[in-house]
Amino acid sequence: EPEVTQTPSHQVTQMGQEVILRCVPISNHLYFYWYRQILGQKVEFLVSFYNNEISEKSEIFDDQFSVERPDGSNFTLKIRSTKLEDSAMYFCASFRGETGYTFGSGTRLTVV
Amino acid sequence: KNEVEQSPQNLTAQEGEFITINCSYSVGISALHWLQQHPGGGIVSLFMLSSGKKKHGRLIATINIQEKHSSLHITASHPRDSAVYICAVEEGLYGGSQGNLIFGKGTKLSVKP
Repeated sequence: EPEVTQTPSHQVTQMGQEVILRCVPISNHLYFYWYRQILGQKVEFLVSFYNNEISEKSEIFDDQFSVERPDGSNFTLKIRSTKLEDSAMYFCASFRGETGYTFGSGTRLTVV
Repeated sequence: KNEVEQSPQNLTAQEGEFITINCSYSVGISALHWLQQHPGGGIVSLFMLSSGKKKHGRLIATINIQEKHSSLHITASHPRDSAVYICAVEEGLYGGSQGNLIFGKGTKLSVKP
């Protein structure tokens, strides 16, 4: 069964550093998403991406965040200058109408 | 903005019991999703519903659009069903584009042998 692959599974970074979270969505899916889940809280929407551009973003997705799909396969989330409150599990997901959502296994980001 | 409420927050059952988890939402939606999250954190999609009822193995999901309510049932529960079950709704964007998900807080299910 096709999978969404996320790397790394766990990243520890110092406050103020830039991080890039990587995702390989399912190849024939059209919509791509980043969600995050702060420990003990519900999953929150960050950004959706369609046709090589952002289609929707939440209030959380401020200027510190950016997304790219540089080569038609990888889908990346960049956090420019990490803060302690960015510590969370970040999930990539892709969507196709017939099959619904497929989530990656997540990247646990710890900012120290 | 849609509010997604789940009940109960925590549920402990004995193996073999029939389990029901409820979800209600406040604003009309284009689809409702039931998801399963295991202790390691990964999320698996169980069902996507826009009307009626769907069944997959021992899992059954129903939705009542008029009442803005959905239920997830597990028949003959087993310890391996222990996980967090999350309801998420999709409001959809104008023109039928694919909208993002709004999540409930989840129901933590523990099935004892």
